Amino acid sequence: AQSVTQPDIHITVSEGASLELRCNYSYGATPYLFWYVQSPGQGLQLLLKYFSGDTLVQGIKGFEAEFKRSQSSFNLRKPSVHWSDAAEYFCAVGESGGYNKLIFGAGTRLAVHP
Amino acid sequence: DAGVTQSPTHLIKTRGQQVTLRCSPKSGHDTVSWYQQALGQEPQFIFQYYEEEERQRGNFPDRFSGHQFPNYSSELNVNALLLGDSALYLCASSSTSGGVAGTQYFGPGTRLLVL
Repeated sequence: AQSVTQPDIHITVSEGASLELRCNYSYGATPYLFWYVQSPGQGLQLLLKYFSGDTLVQGIKGFEAEFKRSQSSFNLRKPSVHWSDAAEYFCAVGESGGYNKLIFGAGTRLAVHP
Repeated sequence: DAGVTQSPTHLIKTRGQQVTLRCSPKSGHDTVSWYQQALGQEPQFIFQYYEEEERQRGNFPDRFSGHQFPNYSSELNVNALLLGDSALYLCASSSTSGGVAGTQYFGPGTRLLVL
């Protein structure tokens, strides 16, 4: 069965510091992979996605993620965090070539110190 | 270009009542998926509608039902509400091509509180 693990429940970084949020997935084939961000009480905003091709994908707001098949990982990175990046981040896997039902990780809550 | 819209934004019901939530997909999208997000949890897939039919369902009881209209908008109905149904209900729309659903874009959600 598909599953997604986000090992870090909470992360705190200082504004301007670099960020890496971890995501590991379990899926039989090459999955569709996504990162979404959610501000309190809001819906989910798509940051970036990986379907195939280049394993380093660029997203909005200066985020990027790298797909590593050998490690079953899809970690999210940002070189310099802004206070407005404080939010909940969800990694998700979708069924490739199918209906793309999303399975989400438990999320990582990011706090940014000034 | 309007994104995914949902109504109402907030709703309060009592146990045993029935509720209907509504979703309009992004322009050009024909597929609607519904997710339930309990407080402090990740979203859980309820079901997906395409061509006015439910084509995939998550682990939710039959109290949860839906409908998709010819204009691709969708409704989520929940009967016999339980306290545990209190959650943020998220609608996501996507475009299906060749039977394959694309990237899902989410609406702002409907916050349901069951008392």
